[in-house]
Amino acid sequence: SQTIHQWPATLVQPVGSPLSLECTVEGTSNPNLYWYRQAAGRGLQLLFYSVGIGQISSEVPQNLSASRPQDRQFILSSKKLLLSDSGFYLCAWGWGHEQFFGPGTRLTVL
Amino acid sequence: DAKTTQPPSMDCAEGRAANLPCNHSTISGNEYVYWYRQIHSQGPQYIIHGLKNNETNEMASLIITEDRKSSTLILPHATLRDTAVYYCIVRVGGGVAGANNLFFGTGTRLTVIP
Repeated sequence: SQTIHQWPATLVQPVGSPLSLECTVEGTSNPNLYWYRQAAGRGLQLLFYSVGIGQISSEVPQNLSASRPQDRQFILSSKKLLLSDSGFYLCAWGWGHEQFFGPGTRLTVL
Repeated sequence: DAKTTQPPSMDCAEGRAANLPCNHSTISGNEYVYWYRQIHSQGPQYIIHGLKNNETNEMASLIITEDRKSSTLILPHATLRDTAVYYCIVRVGGGVAGANNLFFGTGTRLTVIP
């Protein structure tokens, strides 16, 4: 069966600090991978998606970036966090009609 | 860019059917209707999807109108654990790269009352 892992579960970072969130998937090969963000009280916003190693598409311009160094690894990064980067970050994998979401990382930027 | 309209909130008595409506008047012929739900502080969970015909699985039923401009998700016997935000999403189905993206709106917050 497939499993998706995200870490850390929670993170508190100062403004201007770097960020690295990691997501790994087990039990499937060549999945489509996604990063979403959910601000407090809002819906989910798609940030990045990837259809293969090294292939990243960005849905919104911002100070975040994503990388896919391995088939089942997806990383979300920032060089300098902004207050507006606070939120609930979710990684998902999908193929066909379903997407499967990880447990999420709750990021607070102070 | 959500293409759906849902009521912001609904209540349902425990044990009764919960009927969640969704309007998608601009849906294209190759777009499916998907429903996900998000329980507080968790990632969204897939519920069901459909194209034209009504669909049923172990979680819910999906009723799509003949003109496909609206649909209703039915939870036949709501329990307290069904309290969540329910998202109705339309998109092209299948594994097409780029077209596999889900655009979530703000959904309907369903509260199941004891």
